[in-house]
Order: sequence, then C-alpha cells, then structure tokens
Amino acid sequence: GQQVMQIPQYQHVQEGEDFTTYCNSSTTLSNIQWYKQRPGGHPVFLIQLVKSGEVKKQKRLTFQFGEAKKNSSLHITATQTTDVGTYFCAVYSSGSARQLTFGSGTQLTVLP
Amino acid sequence: EAGVVQSPRYKIIEKKQPVAFWCNPISGHNTLYWYLQNLGQGPELLIRYENEEAVDDSQLPKDRFSAERLKGVDSTLKIQPAELGDSAVYLCASSLGRTSGRDDEQFFGPGTRLTVL
Repeated sequence: GQQVMQIPQYQHVQEGEDFTTYCNSSTTLSNIQWYKQRPGGHPVFLIQLVKSGEVKKQKRLTFQFGEAKKNSSLHITATQTTDVGTYFCAVYSSGSARQLTFGSGTQLTVLP
Repeated sequence: EAGVVQSPRYKIIEKKQPVAFWCNPISGHNTLYWYLQNLGQGPELLIRYENEEAVDDSQLPKDRFSAERLKGVDSTLKIQPAELGDSAVYLCASSLGRTSGRDDEQFFGPGTRLTVL
C-alpha cells in the first residue's frame, strides 16, 4: 500500500501551547485522512482532505494539504488536556485495491 | 445509531489455542475491515470485505488466520493456533463502501485486546 511518514513520533506540550504533526509521502496522494485515537480507545475519523492546498478548520484544529499533494499537517492551537491521544494520518492506495494505510502516528501528551 | 460492535473486548489464551473475534458493522455499511494494531503503531489491514466478498486479504496470514462474513453483515476473524506474536488489538471497521462513490471515512469498533501467553 501507499507509504506515509509521520513526524514527530511523540510530542509533549504544556497546556495552552500549540502542537503540529506532519505527514509526508514520496508520491502524490489522491487524498488524505486524519484520525485521533485516545489512550485505550479506537481510531476516530477527524477529516479528509482532497484538494491541492486545501485548508480545513475544526475549532482549534487546522488541517492542511500541500500544494503538491505529497504532505499534510494537523495543527492544534492552545492545546487542552482533552487533546491527548495519538493522531494518525491515513491514505488510500491508488487503483482498485483502495487499501487505507496509516502513518505511525504522533502521540500527544498535554501537561496541565 | 449504534456504532461498530466487537466482542469480546479482551481475550487471554495460551499459545496454540484457537481464538475467534466477532464484529457487527454499522447498519448499511457494505465494506468491513479487520485490522491488527500493535502497541505504538497504526492499524494494519488484515482483510477487507465488500458485502460478503473478501476483496483484499493479501495481508492475512492464511496459515493460521481465517475470516468470514456470512450474509454480508457480521464477520468473524479466527486464529488457529495462536502464537505469542499474535498478541495485539484486533480492530474491526466499516464504511459505506463502493456505493458512496468516494474514499470513505472508516468507523472503528472498540477492538479486542488479545494476549497470548
């Protein structure tokens, strides 16, 4: 399936600080999805980006898709303890297989 | 609306024993997925069903793993015999599938945490 690199692997921030995770691919992506997994929980869909240069916002979360559609980022403004969890990017392979491949995730810890 | 249901939530078995996991997807979702998730890693696809047809099982270790989705609704994943390295969380997910005409968001169940001793 499609390969995506996600960085950083871990991030510790003080509550109120900002947080960003990045997802990179060596090939052009048709779209990219982001999921959040709380500790002990299961992945929950956040958003899908499709268009080149697309920017979408969900309250304090800002998602970007690069102009070349090879990278994406998730930025959280003024983190809260409820933001704790692992954030995964995920991409579908091209062709008929349509296999969703997840990045390795960024584990976010928010210190009160 | 109920989400994806999985059972059991936890399972502890000794190596070489068989184990089975059950999944009930969201009503109306044609596509069902089984994933394996190791600690600190993202989910890895084992098998994907479109209705009752397994359309992608390339990652399923067929010597010990088997799956079925009778009538295109519920699904079971079986391991026989289990090995120590099979300890992981087994996640089931579902999506609308081909009828949506696009790449779907996937809805995950709570998973089954398997420990093989």
